[in-house]
Parts: sequence; structure tokens; C-alpha cells
Amino acid sequence: AQKVTQAQTEISVVEKEDVTLDCVYETRDTTYYLFWYKQPPSGELVFLIRRNSFDEQNEISGRYSWNFQKSTSSFNFTITASQVVDSAVYFCALSEANAGGTSYGKLTFGQGTILTVHP
Amino acid sequence: GAVVSQHPSWVICKSGTSVKIECRSLDFQATTMFWYRQFPKQSLMLMATSNEGSKATYEQGVEKDKFLINHASLTLSTLTVTSAHPEDSSFYICSARSPLGPLHFGNGTRLTVT
Repeated sequence: AQKVTQAQTEISVVEKEDVTLDCVYETRDTTYYLFWYKQPPSGELVFLIRRNSFDEQNEISGRYSWNFQKSTSSFNFTITASQVVDSAVYFCALSEANAGGTSYGKLTFGQGTILTVHP
Repeated sequence: GAVVSQHPSWVICKSGTSVKIECRSLDFQATTMFWYRQFPKQSLMLMATSNEGSKATYEQGVEKDKFLINHASLTLSTLTVTSAHPEDSSFYICSARSPLGPLHFGNGTRLTVT
């Protein structure tokens, strides 16, 4: 069975601080996908990143960066120089892939981390 | 713009009535769509996988007779909450993807049963 654990329930930081959101996953699949989503108070899910299990390269996108460590089954997310607009709930998610490794869709979500950035 | 449209955005209904929620893929065909439920301050839990032209696959613990799913076309899946009760009040969200494309989520439907 798949499982995603986000141990940090709530994080509170002051604007411009860096913050790292942790994500640890469990799966028996050799091919899988990992995701991060942002959920603002309005409820919609905002896609941040998708990473397949064969690609362990870290990624940076503006103030966002992701650290994928297959050896520790972790996929952590760092926001550099946080801003008030970053306040939201952040979900890490895991999806199995088909045999060809190209298809996914059924996501297992972590419990979410509530991030509050104070001015 | 949105590629998966979910309607309505919010609905309030009386206990005992049924509510239908639509999930449409706007510019691609989706043979598979997924329905999730999110209770306040909790995570999203997969309820069922909607398969075009065949029966939905429900996750353990989800009552298929209460949450009716119909995927009658390649662009539309509907979730009907039958005989809704206050404990069914939740945020329902669907997702869909084209065969080789990314996964898209609808904006969700907030259901309140009074």
C-alpha cells in the first residue's frame, strides 16, 4: 500500500524566511510519481511539481526548490524568501505508474502542512 | 484557463435530498476521472475511479449506492450524493488527464447538507 507522511502539521514563519516542508513516502512500486500541490483558502489545488521515480535531480523554480532523495524516500519542498501569498496548505502526493511508466492518476495525498507566513 | 470544469462550486441542500456534481474535461478526452473527498482541515481521500463506459471502481469504505458515479462520455463524469446527510458535507474534487498529458484537478464543490 502507498503512504505519504507530512509530519509537519503547521508551520509559521515571518516573511523572507526560508521554509522547508517535509514529505516521506512509502511504496512497493519501482515506478511512481511524486507531486506537490498548494491549496489556498479558496480550495482549488494548484499544481507545483511532478517528479517521476527515475529522476532524482533536484529542481528549482524561482523561489521554489525540491529535493528528491530516493534513498530516504523523501521529497522535500523549500520556499526561499517566503511571502505572505505563500500562506496555504501544501500537499505532497504519490501516484503509482503503469508498466510503461507513463501513466498515473490515482493519487495518495499526505495529511498536508499548513503554512502561515506573517508580514 | 481551466481544463477541468467542476460544477457547481458550492451547493447547500436539505437532508434526504440528492445532489449531482459534474466534472468535465474541456479540451481533452478522459477515459478515466477520479473523485476525491476532503473533510475540513483534512487531506484529500480518493473515493472512486470513474471509467468511461463501465462501472466505477470504489475505494474501500466508500458506499457505491450512496455515491453514484456515471461516466457516460469521454468528457463528463458525474457524482451523485444520494439521500445526503449532514455528515456528507465536504469538499468534493475531481481530476482527469488525457492519455499522455498532465493531471488536472477541477476547482472542487463545497457541499453543505442542512
